[in-house]
Amino acid sequence: GQQVMQIPQYQHVQEGEDFTTYCNSSTTLSNIQWYKQRPGGHPVFLIQLVKSGEVKKQKRLTFQFGEAKKNSPLHITATQTTDVGTYFCAGRVYGNKLVFGAGTILRVKS
Amino acid sequence: DAGVIQSPRHEVTEMGQEVTLRCKPISGHNSLFWYRQTMMRGLELLIYFNNNVPIDDSGMPEDRFSAKMPNASFSTLKIQPSEPRDSAVYFCASSFTSGGFGQYFGPGTRLTVT
Repeated sequence: GQQVMQIPQYQHVQEGEDFTTYCNSSTTLSNIQWYKQRPGGHPVFLIQLVKSGEVKKQKRLTFQFGEAKKNSPLHITATQTTDVGTYFCAGRVYGNKLVFGAGTILRVKS
Repeated sequence: DAGVIQSPRHEVTEMGQEVTLRCKPISGHNSLFWYRQTMMRGLELLIYFNNNVPIDDSGMPEDRFSAKMPNASFSTLKIQPSEPRDSAVYFCASSFTSGGFGQYFGPGTRLTVT
């Protein structure tokens, strides 16, 4: 079945360093969404990418959708302590059904 | 603007008891999702509804789990009988049905079955 994989599982960075998490799908996705979950919180929708090769930015966060629509990196420039949390990608399978990756846990040392 | 509302926020129950989790989606959203999150299995979709109709319940673990959506503003997830392995955080999320929108999650119900 549809699988969405994320690497790394966990990353601990120094404040001010850059961070990248990678999302890869076993099949072509119609679109991909990114969510952030703070410790003890709930997933919060960040963004959706639809077009092949699409790049979107939200302040220090840059989201991309690969040309083949099977991968999506998320890059954070100059991490801050407020970036701490788990970042999930989710691929749309059909209709409204999303398949979530296992997430990348980001910890930031100040 | 009220987000997705879930109750209770915490539930501790004994094995064998019935558990009912409740969800009120964001007004105007016509898709509703129930997820379960554990350390071992991550975030799993249990079931989702479009316009109050169940569309995909392939993630419901077994017959002990059931979900209903009697109207556009209310849904329940019931576990009967509960078992310790059901301990998890259960999230409800809602969205517009058309595929161009994200899902908005409630705060979750932390269920502990002893």
